[in-house]
Amino acid sequence: QQQVKQSPQSLIVQKGGISIINCAYENTAFDYFPWYQQFPGKGPALLIAIRPDVSEKKEGRFTISFNKSAKQFSLHIMDSQPGDSATYFCAASGGNNAGNMLTFGGGTRLMVKP
Amino acid sequence: DGGITQSPKYLFRKEGQNVTLSCEQNLNHDAMYWYRQDPGQGLRLIYYSQIVNDFQKGDIAEGYSVSREKKESFPLTVTSAQKNPTAFYLCASRQRGSPLHFGNGTRLTVT
Repeated sequence: QQQVKQSPQSLIVQKGGISIINCAYENTAFDYFPWYQQFPGKGPALLIAIRPDVSEKKEGRFTISFNKSAKQFSLHIMDSQPGDSATYFCAASGGNNAGNMLTFGGGTRLMVKP
Repeated sequence: DGGITQSPKYLFRKEGQNVTLSCEQNLNHDAMYWYRQDPGQGLRLIYYSQIVNDFQKGDIAEGYSVSREKKESFPLTVTSAQKNPTAFYLCASRQRGSPLHFGNGTRLTVT
């Protein structure tokens, strides 16, 4: 079964620090790796995404690092702010996945302390 | 504003009753999806539909049913056969090649 494993389950960071969330996947046919951000009582929203032809993508304070050989990718949040406190999901899709379904990681609950 | 509307936000039912969750989108997206969210388990796909009058089972379809009679609407029925129905249910839609858009969910509590 296709899987995406996400760690840690929860993370506490001081304001201004760096938040790092890691994901590992098994299916080498995956070719699209998005990260979603979810605030309490809301649906997830796309934060940033990467394809395997690049090793890093940066958008503002958010960076995805991608290691194709290790089948791992991670989200780095620089200068973390209390407003970043949310649940983050990594996901992957591609290959023989019918309908190009996203397979989600288990989520990371981030708390940024003021 | 275009988006996905899920209603109601909170829903309470007695065990043994069927319940239908509403999902409407005005994004003109062809594909629609239902996910279930439980703490620590991420998002698990229940059903999806890529075109009107057609839908497929996801990873956890047992105890659920859907219909797709209109492009804009994809209601989910949680039947009494679902062993553990209490969860947060998310509806999503997308157009081919574009990201997945989510609604704000319905929290179902069955007692």
